[in-house]
Amino acid sequence: ELKVEQNPLFLSMQEGKNYTIYCNYSTTSDRLYWYRQDPGKSLESLFVLLSNGAVKQEGRLMASLDTKARLSTLHITAAVHDLSATYFCAVDRSSGDKLTFGTGTRLAVRP
Amino acid sequence: DTGVSQDPRHKITKRGQNVTFRCDPISEHNRLYWYRQTLGQGPEFLTYFQNEAQLEKSRLLSDRFSAERPKGSFSTLEIQRTEQGDSAMYLCASSSRTGVAETQYFGPGTRLLVL
Repeated sequence: ELKVEQNPLFLSMQEGKNYTIYCNYSTTSDRLYWYRQDPGKSLESLFVLLSNGAVKQEGRLMASLDTKARLSTLHITAAVHDLSATYFCAVDRSSGDKLTFGTGTRLAVRP
Repeated sequence: DTGVSQDPRHKITKRGQNVTFRCDPISEHNRLYWYRQTLGQGPEFLTYFQNEAQLEKSRLLSDRFSAERPKGSFSTLEIQRTEQGDSAMYLCASSSRTGVAETQYFGPGTRLLVL
């Protein structure tokens, strides 16, 4: 059974600080997805990482993938309040297959 | 707006009643997925379709749950004899195969409360 674990589960950050969210998964996969979810809302796609060593950046967020270590990271640079949300990573077994999600990391950015 | 849409957005029902949810995917997407999310958890897979064919059902999906996608366009998810444990957000997503990966785009969800 494919398992996806994230840590930390909850992260309280001060504005302007940097931090990293980690996502470990239990099976070989070359694809990893990051989503953002605001309270009471649906999921918004952030990044799709398609190969070992892939790195993608959007604004203050940067995601990377190490398929050999089965690890992805989501790095937050100089956090701002608008980044407060829950972040999920997800993995599929093959392209177009169902996604298995991590438990999520709830990020709170405080002044 | 050409995103994934779901109806209704909220549903309150009494235990034992039947409920049906609808999902309209992005028009050119041939894959459609249903997930369930409870408070504080990540979405859990329920079932998915490629066109009108239901390709996989989760073990989470008891006999009280049924899903259809009759013409390969919209899909319905029906829950019969609802139980309080069915209370959750039901999310629909769609995707299209273009290359080595498919991004699933999620709808706004249907929040179900069973009293």
